Formats: sequence, structure tokens, C-alpha cells
Amino acid sequence: DVKVTQSSRYLVKRTGEKVFLECVQDMDHENMFWYRQDPGLGLRLIYFSYDVKMKEKGDIPEGYSVSREKKERFSLILESASTNQTSMYLCASSLGRDPLSEQYFGPGTRLTVT
Amino acid sequence: DQQVKQNSPSLSVQEGRISILNCDYTNSMFDYFLWYKKYPAEGPTFLISISSIKDKNEDGRFTVFLNKSAKHLSLHIVPSQPGDSAVYFCAAVNAGKSTFGDGTTLTVKP
Repeated sequence: DVKVTQSSRYLVKRTGEKVFLECVQDMDHENMFWYRQDPGLGLRLIYFSYDVKMKEKGDIPEGYSVSREKKERFSLILESASTNQTSMYLCASSLGRDPLSEQYFGPGTRLTVT
Repeated sequence: DQQVKQNSPSLSVQEGRISILNCDYTNSMFDYFLWYKKYPAEGPTFLISISSIKDKNEDGRFTVFLNKSAKHLSLHIVPSQPGDSAVYFCAAVNAGKSTFGDGTTLTVKP
């Protein structure tokens, strides 16, 4: 069974802290994505990666960075957390560059920055 | 500028009736469209998709219609069941990148 896991379901951090959100998939997928979900704004793409050590900016990359050292793991980093980064963060993966390939999502991490 | 819009934040229907969820897009370069369903405390899961070369795709109780000239797609659920109550996102794909709408919360009343 397909599985995308995220390191934490809930996380509370202070303003200015460095935050790591981890995502692991066990499907040998090439593509991995990080989104944030906010009320009224839907899912917005932060960063994505088509291969190990590759990364591309999504629609809202400011304040975030990513790391993909291994195919199965894609990390989202908040260098200095701010209150406007309080959100639900969703990781996803998909197979290859085929647009017909749907994305598989993790359960999400609800991050609160105080 | 939101390229994919779901103008109805919520929809309530009676069990057994049809649910119609709508999605509009502005970018004519989108060539593939998907619907995802999301239950509380879970990530979205893929429901059904349609290529831009088609105008209809059906899978059991779920049918997606695409009107390219109007840049509009819709998801029909017939008959609706209480277990269909969830948030539904439409997504449009261009160059391998998906753009999501902000979701419609469907409530199916028994």
C-alpha cells in the first residue's frame, strides 16, 4: 500500500526558530512536493523536486528552503519561523514526469508559530 | 491571481441526490485536471481525472465533465452518500506542476 509519512502531526515553535519538516515516501517516486493549506487559499505549492538533489521553487517559496539528499526523503526547512507561517503543511509524491500521475499525500503537519 | 477557482466554499445535499461541484480555471495551458477528496486529519486522496482532449470521464458514481471553451470543469456524484462528506479540491496541471483550487466542503445529509 502506498504511503507518505510526515514526521509530526502537530508542531508548536517560537518565532525565529529553525524548523524542519520531514517527509518520507515508500513508493520509489521521483517527484516530491511541499504545499501549505490555508483557509480560503487552498493548497499552495512551496517547493518541489523531480530527483535527488534537485529542487524547484513553487508559487510561494519565500521563507522556506528544501533538501532532498535521498530519493525517499524530502525536507522542508523554515530558516527563521514567523507567525505567518502558521499553517497546515502537506507533503506529496508522484511517479515520474507523467502528468497523468496523481499525487499521493501525507496526513499533514499542523504547525503553529507563536 | 488565482488560476484555479472553486467559487462555492460549501455544498449540502440530501443522500441519494446528485452533488455537483464546480471549478473554473484561467490558464489555457492546463492540459490535465484532477479531483481530490480530503477528510479531516488526512491528506487529500486522488478521486478522478480527465485529460484536456476529453470532455467526460466516468468512474462508478463519479463523473468529471470538462468544458474547455468555458474553462470549466465539474464533478458529479450520483447518488451521493454520507461517506462522500469531505472537502473536494480540483487541480489543474501544466508542465507537471499542479495548481489547486481552494476546495469545496460537501455535506451529504442522511
